Amino acid sequence: DIQMTQFPSTLSASVGETVSMTCRASQTIDIWMGWFQQKPGKAPTLLIYKASVLASGAPSRFSGSGSGTEFTLTISSLQPDDFATYYCQQYKTSVTFGGGTKVEI
Amino acid sequence: QVHLQESGPRLMKPSQPLSLTCTVSGASLRGGDLYWSWLRQRPGKGLEWIGYLYHRGNTYYSPSFKSRVTISGDTSKNQFSLRLNSVTAADTAVYFCASGGLEARTEYWGQGILVTVSS
Repeated sequence: DIQMTQFPSTLSASVGETVSMTCRASQTIDIWMGWFQQKPGKAPTLLIYKASVLASGAPSRFSGSGSGTEFTLTISSLQPDDFATYYCQQYKTSVTFGGGTKVEI
Repeated sequence: QVHLQESGPRLMKPSQPLSLTCTVSGASLRGGDLYWSWLRQRPGKGLEWIGYLYHRGNTYYSPSFKSRVTISGDTSKNQFSLRLNSVTAADTAVYFCASGGLEARTEYWGQGILVTVSS
């Protein structure tokens, strides 16, 4: 199984800041990486797929980068609605998730 | 727009088999080019992928569940199902069904169903 290490596990930030989080794969996954946002009691929503493609309906302040084993999700100008938990997901071989990054005030 | 809805029992006893169904609208299981997944999230924990159905009946399971899981589809009802054998309290979780294409395997998600395993 491909292991995904996501960090930091918690990120404290303020509205208007630009924040980033990282996911590292235990072996190369090319660009088969997705990023999801999840709010308490809700299903995750897709933000980014294929490492850098913005999903339909996702705000343009979200961007993804990386390839191979290291990937980054960046949120530019953090909005109040962005305080949530974010998960990375690899889908090169089966599917595995990172442990999550909680973005809090 | 694809819509998915989970259904099934919300309370189980240990050792029983768990059976959940996902009803799909806005896409067809007959299409053959989509992935139909089951995932779960234990209370306060992260997301776990259980497995998926793809390419007209093929299945691929997570090694963590492979020995006790079956995912199957019913194209006549446009539903797919999860069967998880021999549940324990550790299987208490919100179970999600999801679907997507090759480029984003879990693009669309159901709202989730909380299943509690307790004696």
